[in-house]
Amino acid sequence: DQQVKQNSPSLSVQEGRISILNCDYTNSMFDYFLWYKKYPAEGPTFLISISSIKDKNEDGRFTVFLNKSAKHLSLHIVPSQPGDSAVYFCAASNSGGSNYKLTFGKGTLLTVNP
Amino acid sequence: GAGVSQSPSNKVTEKGKDVELRCDPISGHTALYWYRQSLGQGLEFLIYFQGNSAPDKSGLPSDRFSAERTGGSVSTLTIQRTQQEDSAVYLCASSLRRGSASEAFFGQGTRLTVV
Repeated sequence: DQQVKQNSPSLSVQEGRISILNCDYTNSMFDYFLWYKKYPAEGPTFLISISSIKDKNEDGRFTVFLNKSAKHLSLHIVPSQPGDSAVYFCAASNSGGSNYKLTFGKGTLLTVNP
Repeated sequence: GAGVSQSPSNKVTEKGKDVELRCDPISGHTALYWYRQSLGQGLEFLIYFQGNSAPDKSGLPSDRFSAERTGGSVSTLTIQRTQQEDSAVYLCASSLRRGSASEAFFGQGTRLTVV
């Protein structure tokens, strides 16, 4: 039973355009959500997070939107750059303030074409 | 080193053998996490160490899996009597603050293949 789903295994966009990566979850107890980026042969690196008390968090070119009623979050990258090409993982936790037990999606491979 | 170091980077073992995977966290980081990523899957939580507290082992998939963290630093994940379904990339991470996955730095992982 997959509690965090990333239904698009891959996404391809042109440099300069917007990339939108989607994530759905089923566990209503999740209260903290994170996005990680992973390059080949490297460990994941934290990108951006959002608490369930917010519906938007922005950090430079990266914005995460949370729709709790739909149990859906999305990561927007604007403008997309070739260096953004990586696998993006959505993760969630219901650990309150102690977010170490994360449930991950399977990831979406983003390719940004020059 | 500056980052989380894991060894070996690759391990091929025969079914039924025991393996040990090592993680050297960033110096001073009190929290240490183990995750694994099986082919085509997301990362799966295994175990969490925080200082001298009892670890949260709730993610270990079977009693063949165990982990230690000696002296609050290096951690070893041991898999006994390996099975083919244990094949995965095993990732270790550490963070300065307790339970703060968003501040955790991941190692490059150990790719385990059980043949």
